[in-house]
Amino acid sequence: SDELTQPPSVSVSPGQTARITCSGDSLPRKYAYWYQQKSGQAPVLVIFEDRKRPSGIPERFSGSSAGTVATLTINGAQVDDEADYFCYSTDSNTNPLFGGGTKLTVL
Amino acid sequence: HLQLLESGPGLLKPSETLSLTCTVSDVSISSKSYFWGWVRQPPGKGLEWIATIHYSGNTYSNPSLKSRVTMSVDMSNQQFSLRLTSVTAADTATYYCARLYDGLGGFKYFDDWGQGMLVTVSS
Repeated sequence: SDELTQPPSVSVSPGQTARITCSGDSLPRKYAYWYQQKSGQAPVLVIFEDRKRPSGIPERFSGSSAGTVATLTINGAQVDDEADYFCYSTDSNTNPLFGGGTKLTVL
Repeated sequence: HLQLLESGPGLLKPSETLSLTCTVSDVSISSKSYFWGWVRQPPGKGLEWIATIHYSGNTYSNPSLKSRVTMSVDMSNQQFSLRLTSVTAADTATYYCARLYDGLGGFKYFDDWGQGMLVTVSS
């Protein structure tokens, strides 16, 4: 089915590694993208085409994809990384499709 | 640097038509590499794609909204617009306009967003 499933929440202490997963049956054939959305702000692209980082995004953000699971990893998470994270891909009709979002808490 | 700015009424009554415009600055809306779209986010919830348009006029809509959605593009004014008919309280959301980049393998993704605009539907 055309769904992207994320855990509702992930919590880490500052300096730890945060991993947020995104599961979808179509991911073996599609790229995964990740957006960060801080409270009251518009989403910001942090990872595109599974593992590429847009300019200006810190190196501690990385992405990977294996089989039906894409993963956003934040090495050495900082308090400033606290946000909602949404994965994104396309459905079987190549229409945009978002995951439900994961609230990352860093404290 | 690309700027996207949403405009339109922030309060509607049930059954009315929502009309929003996005003004694009510093990038040509007629670039072949880009599409333009709308995404909404109900309060406290996730992101939902609404529709996408290319300057050529090709449009694509979320099947769940397709019967109520129309998009158009005005190249001379560097604007694209959304119309959503017969709104209900369930259409209350922050509406974002955004640019989609036609990337590797033809996969399109949102690479830049407007600040968003809250639209409330209430009697």
